[in-house]
Amino acid sequence: KQEVTQIPAALSVPEGENLVLNCSFTDSAIYNLQWFRQDPGKGLTSLLLIQSSQREQTSGRLNASLDKSSGRSTLYIAASQPGDSATYLCAPKIKAAGNKLTFGGGTRVLVKP
Amino acid sequence: NAGVTQTPKFRVLKTGQSMTLLCAQDMNHEYMYWYRQDPGMGLRLIHYSVGEGTTAKGEVPDGYNVSRLKKQNFLLGLESAAPSQTSVYFCASSYWQGADSSYTFGSGTRLTVV
Repeated sequence: KQEVTQIPAALSVPEGENLVLNCSFTDSAIYNLQWFRQDPGKGLTSLLLIQSSQREQTSGRLNASLDKSSGRSTLYIAASQPGDSATYLCAPKIKAAGNKLTFGGGTRVLVKP
Repeated sequence: NAGVTQTPKFRVLKTGQSMTLLCAQDMNHEYMYWYRQDPGMGLRLIHYSVGEGTTAKGEVPDGYNVSRLKKQNFLLGLESAAPSQTSVYFCASSYWQGADSSYTFGSGTRLTVV
């Protein structure tokens, strides 16, 4: 069974620091990997999608890398702001799971002013 | 842009009652999904649909039924609610299953079964 692990489970940083969020998955046969943001009591907002043929994807202060062979993805958030406080979820789309997303447990981020 | 809309947003049920959660998308997406999110368990797939008139079981389908009579709507039914079904339910949709296809999520339905 595919396992998706996100480390750390929680992270607290002062405003302005860069954030590094890690995601690992046991089955490297994936189509893509999506990073989501979830605010308390809200739904999931898609941040970035990295296709299996790509090494990284960027959007503004966000950069996500993918190393499919080692089963790892990292989300970098530059110059963090209090508005970045949320839970971040990674979800690879795994071929063996019928091309559906499998979610990690998330990293809860708090950026202190 | 409405995207994916879920109704209701909140609901309290008594054990044994039934209800239907509605998911509607206006993006002409073929694929639709129902997930539940529980503390410590993450998001788990309940049922999904690969097109109008189709449904399939996900990871945790027991106690739920679904229907996709129209392409834009995906209904999740609880025939006899149990306290174990207390959860936050999310609907999602995607255009297709390819590598460049992303999921769009609704804002969720918070269900409490007492």
